[in-house]
Amino acid sequence: DAGITQSPRHKVTETGTPVTLRCHQTENHRYMYWYRQDPGHGLRLIHYSYGVKDTDKGEVSDGYSVSRSKTEDFLLTLESATSSQTSVYFCAISEFTGTLNTGELFFGEGSRLTVL
Amino acid sequence: QKEVEQDPGPLSVPEGAIVSLNCTYSNSAFQYFMWYRQYSRKGPELLMYTYSSGNKEDGRFTAQVDKSSKYISLFIRDSQPSDSATYLCAMSQNSGYSTLTFGKGTMLLVSP
Repeated sequence: DAGITQSPRHKVTETGTPVTLRCHQTENHRYMYWYRQDPGHGLRLIHYSYGVKDTDKGEVSDGYSVSRSKTEDFLLTLESATSSQTSVYFCAISEFTGTLNTGELFFGEGSRLTVL
Repeated sequence: QKEVEQDPGPLSVPEGAIVSLNCTYSNSAFQYFMWYRQYSRKGPELLMYTYSSGNKEDGRFTAQVDKSSKYISLFIRDSQPSDSATYLCAMSQNSGYSTLTFGKGTMLLVSP
């Protein structure tokens, strides 16, 4: 199994509070991603990183910010959580930007966030 | 129309059955196709990867891409209870993971 640890694994919070989810990897992979997974939707990319301090927006980035100060850590922050951000959040890593070099996308086990 | 359509199921089959899972898509520029398996409360894991059209086989799994029909399939032979999971298709125009579009997933239940 790829060495990806997400924390916290479960969190319940109230609307308007800030929330930070952490993804930690031990694989030294360059690329890291945050997805959300909701019933009725496929996995949707929130933000991704292609190196330390290098990040870019994904499909559903509104209301989220990210930071990557070290290769191994990628943080996802909800500045002011809303009920629409109740979801399961997955971190993923890849050594390469895509499949061109047969690189694989590895997922963590997910962080379940409930915003009341 | 959604870019990628996938029947959510659940699809229930007896052990040993041949399973067919499918996705249709609307973007004719998609050329990288993947199938992921996701067990309950776990992250997805890559099962099969196919570039452009054709078939690819790996053990009991066969991935098929028909770009003319904008249709991809995953076949599972001799299905086992351990195959019970949600299967996600994913595809993109280029090889970059930042452009992957996922289907909603089909839940498969294989009964002993």
